Amino acid sequence: ETGVTQSPTHLIKTRGQQVTLRCSSQSGHNTVSWYQQALGQGPQFIFQYYREEENGRGNFPPRFSGLQFPNYSSELNVNALELDDSALYLCASSPGTESPLHFGNGTRLTVT
Amino acid sequence: RKEVEQDPGPFNVPEGATVAFNCTYSNSASQSFFWYRQDCRKEPKLLMSVYSSGNEDGRFTAQLNRASQYISLLIRDSKLSDSATYLCVVNRMYSGGGADGLTFGKGTHLIIQP
Repeated sequence: ETGVTQSPTHLIKTRGQQVTLRCSSQSGHNTVSWYQQALGQGPQFIFQYYREEENGRGNFPPRFSGLQFPNYSSELNVNALELDDSALYLCASSPGTESPLHFGNGTRLTVT
Repeated sequence: RKEVEQDPGPFNVPEGATVAFNCTYSNSASQSFFWYRQDCRKEPKLLMSVYSSGNEDGRFTAQLNRASQYISLLIRDSKLSDSATYLCVVNRMYSGGGADGLTFGKGTHLIIQP
């Protein structure tokens, strides 16, 4: 068990809607990252938060945003959903910069 | 050129055989390297970090060649439970995360046959 849990496990939304995905990390995991994994692809880095501030971002548009909270939980928000946003969304956390990331079980988002 | 390239396979291998797969990376500034394993419709799980001196964990051996920007994974005495997708991962930072995030290959699909 990685100690990283995500909710919900599956979600279906309509194009144009907004969605919020949630992640709960282990106590002490100050770093949380979000990744998008489309079918047949490797995970793609969306952004990273460290101590509640975004400190890194991949090649994703501003309609992808996030929050990290003091209780080691975090959110990924996606506005104006597009069909191509259908993917597995993975949250990963780490206790520190020297430790490998451990992933949660993911949220599978389908946009119709 | 993709940042991390892997042969997607599938590699069909009989149980008990030895299998090896490789990946290449384009960013010479990459500092840390990993192999992750991903089962169908599950999250990636860290299999092992990869060090320049090479490292072994039971039946698994990983090698890194910085000059050729090449990483390999060798699995000996393969088991049915080794069937999975193996993701090659590089990072510009010395850490497992970092502000640039991890860069994943598309993965190599391995099927161990009885």
